Amino acid sequence: GENVEQHPSTLSVQEGDSAVIKCTYSDSASNYFPWYKQELGKRPQLIIDIRSNVGEKKDQRIAVTLNKTAKHFSLHITETQPEDSAVYFCAAIGTSYDKVIFGPGTSLSVIP
Amino acid sequence: EPEVTQTPSHQVTQMGQEVILRCVPISNHLYFYWYRQILGQKVEFLVSFYNNEISEKSEIFDDQFSVERPDGSNFTLKIRSTKLEDSAMYFCASSESLQNYGYTFGSGTRLTVV
Repeated sequence: GENVEQHPSTLSVQEGDSAVIKCTYSDSASNYFPWYKQELGKRPQLIIDIRSNVGEKKDQRIAVTLNKTAKHFSLHITETQPEDSAVYFCAAIGTSYDKVIFGPGTSLSVIP
Repeated sequence: EPEVTQTPSHQVTQMGQEVILRCVPISNHLYFYWYRQILGQKVEFLVSFYNNEISEKSEIFDDQFSVERPDGSNFTLKIRSTKLEDSAMYFCASSESLQNYGYTFGSGTRLTVV
């Protein structure tokens, strides 16, 4: 089945700097890659997603890139703010196209 | 904005007891899911449900677990005989279609087995 790995597990950046989180997936048939942000004690919330027919997608300070050949995808957050502090999960659609498989998460801390 | 609602927000139960976690998916969504998250760990897939039947389940979803859509609005997860290791946050999610993979998660039920 699908396996999603994510690095780093923790990340601290100064406010205003950029943060990059990288993920790899195992199933070459996966074609949908969402990113979720989870604040402490709250539900995961979809922040951006990318489908395999595009290589990059941007939404204000957040961008995601996808390299299908290498089975890598990354989240880029620019001009980080303290409210960006949260756990970020990458995910990939499973082979059955009926479930989303999550990576282990990255705890991002933005230091004011 | 439509929401997935879950009740209760927190459930404490004794080991061996049965619990039912309830979810009301978004009304026009057809695909329903349960995920769980042990404290500090990743979100794990439990089960997906479509057209009144389970479409996929994970290894975690053993015979102690069952799901049901008893009426047109509720989607429930039952754990028959809870174990200490069932303590986790359980999230319900729903999706409009397989072509629109953006899950909407509920706010979760924190299950504590003592």
